[in-house]
Formats: sequence, structure tokens, C-alpha cells
Amino acid sequence: EAGVAQSPRYKIIEKRQSVAFWCNPISGHATLYWYQQILGQGPKLLIQFQNNGVVDDSQLPKDRFSAERLKGVDSTLKIQPAKLEDSAVYLCASSLDTRSYEQYFGPGTRLTVT
Amino acid sequence: LAKTTQPISMDSYEGQEVNITCSHNNIATNDYITWYQQFPSQGPRFIIQGYKTKVTNEVASLFIPADRKSSTLSLPRVSLSDTAVYYCLAPLYNQGGKLIFGQGTELSVKP
Repeated sequence: EAGVAQSPRYKIIEKRQSVAFWCNPISGHATLYWYQQILGQGPKLLIQFQNNGVVDDSQLPKDRFSAERLKGVDSTLKIQPAKLEDSAVYLCASSLDTRSYEQYFGPGTRLTVT
Repeated sequence: LAKTTQPISMDSYEGQEVNITCSHNNIATNDYITWYQQFPSQGPRFIIQGYKTKVTNEVASLFIPADRKSSTLSLPRVSLSDTAVYYCLAPLYNQGGKLIFGQGTELSVKP
């Protein structure tokens, strides 16, 4: 079974530039999550999708972050414009449905903002 | 969501049993206790979950006392490859599986 795919694996940008991350969840998983993990901390949930609808985006900085899952499968997370404090690993995870505690995480995208 | 508290770091040697205890004093009736493992440069990986008493799988055991205010993850005979960060979570049943990660316990296994 293929795992959660993410790209790119690494990205370096300057502040005020924009960046986009892509995630393809495990086939058949209805729920998709984006997390931000700052070095030395646990992952923080940014947004949760159920199919193509948003379930929870309470911790998403909506002035600069946006995410979509238009066809209920793959998803993109965008940051525009980036700030230095956005330097982190962005993790995508998926699960069968919103009731499952077993989430499958991708390898993440390491973003460095200079 | 129940706040969880666990040691920041632990050291062990190969072949030893490691027990990581997590406290979750305000855990709600429907909360499950869930543990994840994270290796460097990888996303977290689900290890085990339980509601009460004892749960065992091929990776670990989870002990939960009757009052459910704490839980202990037990890793039998650890190896160097068990060096990782271990997260204890208590997701609320009706919160759509929402996971709130704390800082976790950084386990270092030495030869």
C-alpha cells in the first residue's frame, strides 16, 4: 500500500515570497490533515479536510495560509507571503475518516525562509 | 481536550524495557489514549491506543489504570532503532479524531 506522498521534500525561499506544498493521501482515505512542526516541538494541526470540505481550520493563519482539496483527493497548502517564523516542517496526514485516531503521515516538506 | 504531561527525555540501553508514563488528569469519559512515535526527518507513526486496562500489539504495550488519569507505554527490549520521540495524546472522541501533540518524550537508546 502506498503511503502519503508529499512534494517537494525541501524548499528554501526568501521572506515575502510565496510557496506551495502538495500532498497525495492514501487511496480511500477521506480525511486529510496539514500540520506545521517547528523544530523541537510537536506537530500543530493547521487544517483538516473531510473529502473536499473543511472540518477544522481554527489554527490556520488565514491572512497568509490557504489550503484546498478540490476533488477530495490530493491537496495543496500555500503560504503567501512567507515570514521567517514559517520555517518549519509541513506534514500531511490522512485517515479513513474523522473518527479514526490512526493517522498516516507523509515525510513532510522542510521549509526554510531566509 | 485533555492536557497530557510526559517526561521531556529518557535514556536507556539496548535490551532494556522502557516505560514512558503520561499523565492526563482531566481526560474525559470518551477519550482514548493514543501514542505516536516520530523518528528524525519522518512524520509521526501511530503505535498503539487504548481505553482502559492493558493493550498489547507487536510493537508495544499500553497500561491504563482504572482511574485513567495516567497511562504507561512499555517498549520491551529496546534497540538502537527505537531512539525517537514518543507522543502521548488523548483525542476527544467527538472532536473528529483531532490530535493535539505536546512536546513528547525524546528516548535515547545507547549501546
